Amino acid sequence: QQQVKQSPQSLIVQKGGISIINCAYENTAFDYFPWYQQFPGKGPALLIAIRPDVSEKKEGRFTISFNKSAKQFSLHIMDSQPGDSATYFCAASRPSNFGNEKLTFGTGTRLTIIP
Amino acid sequence: DAGVIQSPRHEVTEMGQEVTLRCKPISGHDYLFWYRQTMMRGLELLIYFNNNVPIDDSGMPEDRFSAKMPNASFSTLKIQPSEPRDSAVYFCASSFLRAWGNTIYFGEGSWLTVV
Repeated sequence: QQQVKQSPQSLIVQKGGISIINCAYENTAFDYFPWYQQFPGKGPALLIAIRPDVSEKKEGRFTISFNKSAKQFSLHIMDSQPGDSATYFCAASRPSNFGNEKLTFGTGTRLTIIP
Repeated sequence: DAGVIQSPRHEVTEMGQEVTLRCKPISGHDYLFWYRQTMMRGLELLIYFNNNVPIDDSGMPEDRFSAKMPNASFSTLKIQPSEPRDSAVYFCASSFLRAWGNTIYFGEGSWLTVV
């Protein structure tokens, strides 16, 4: 059972535009929502993360918007650049005796920024 | 500082052969994860360790897969016997305990092809 649903599967955005990737989750116990970025041939790397007690977190051109009641969160990339072309994964985890260590990943979105 | 180091980076093997993937986590991290990535199933958590002790192996697909962590700086994932459907990228990752939101650092992956 997939607990984090991600869309779209692929996305093409013009340089300078806004890229938006959406995720929905089912488990209300989740309390940590990171986004990972993966370039070809590399492992995923943490991009930005949010906790459910805030509705938005911004780091540079990257913003997470969080809607707790709808159980949805999204990644917005402002002024998208060719260097942003990568695969993006949303993820979620719930607290355990060990922390938020066990991430459930979405299926990924391949983002391509065209000139 | 060196990140998570995996070896081999690429391996091609024949069906039925034993495959051993190796990982050196980031020094000081007390969690180690093994993930598998395929186009069909995305990123799957296979097993993870805390302080060298396996915590959750529910993602290990079957008895052909085994993982060990004999010390804090080394882990192996073994597949015996290998099958073509095991072809995937296997990522090792590590993190350290935080009050909230463990950042997981991935290695560059071991690309396995079973023919």
